[in-house]
Amino acid sequence: NAGVTQTPKFQVLKTGQSMTLQCAQDMNHNSMYWYRQDPGMGLRLIYYSASEGTTDKGEVPNGYNVSRLNKREFSLRLESAAPSQTSVYFCASSVQYNQPQHFGDGTRLSIL
Amino acid sequence: AQTVTQSQPEMSVQEAETVTLSCTYDTSESDYYLFWYKQPPSRQMILVIRQEAYKQQNATENRFSVNFQKAAKSFSLKISDSQLGDAAMYFCAYRSGSGGGADGLTFGKGTHLIIQP
Repeated sequence: NAGVTQTPKFQVLKTGQSMTLQCAQDMNHNSMYWYRQDPGMGLRLIYYSASEGTTDKGEVPNGYNVSRLNKREFSLRLESAAPSQTSVYFCASSVQYNQPQHFGDGTRLSIL
Repeated sequence: AQTVTQSQPEMSVQEAETVTLSCTYDTSESDYYLFWYKQPPSRQMILVIRQEAYKQQNATENRFSVNFQKAAKSFSLKISDSQLGDAAMYFCAYRSGSGGGADGLTFGKGTHLIIQP
């Protein structure tokens, strides 16, 4: 019963390095999401994919790209990491837009 | 754009007592969904309760219930018989019912709930 699986759980990068965060769900959900959580803040939407083959920007998309590889997988890429992208990143999925989202355990990313 | 406000950064309650966490939101939509999520120190995001705006009846899940006041745009969470395991950050979240536009959740900044033994 894996649900939403994120890899890695922790990562430290240097400024300017690139990195891809992986997310996979095994619940046959249509919609997938990437959020970031900063101290003292709630989660903020980076990108989402309403269904396989589509992606759209959320509230804070700058500096990120995403790929919906197939129905199960939705990756988040930082092309040139910046210290402002230090955060905890959460992937989530839902069977459709009006159903609750199920979250992964998060990736703590530090950029030095 | 919708906004969600949680005005209590931190709340403290004695074990077995009842506590209410506040949430207000701003929207021009009539169709939407509201959620409360719990985030314990393990960092997991756990769904506590869900409310559909078109339903007048307040949602309940065991010891958790909401007071949904649509006209006042208020969505408070009541936890009865508080337990030590309820200690966590609680986030209120809004989701548009339209299905178009930004498809994710809009979160408040959270309330840190402390349970005193």
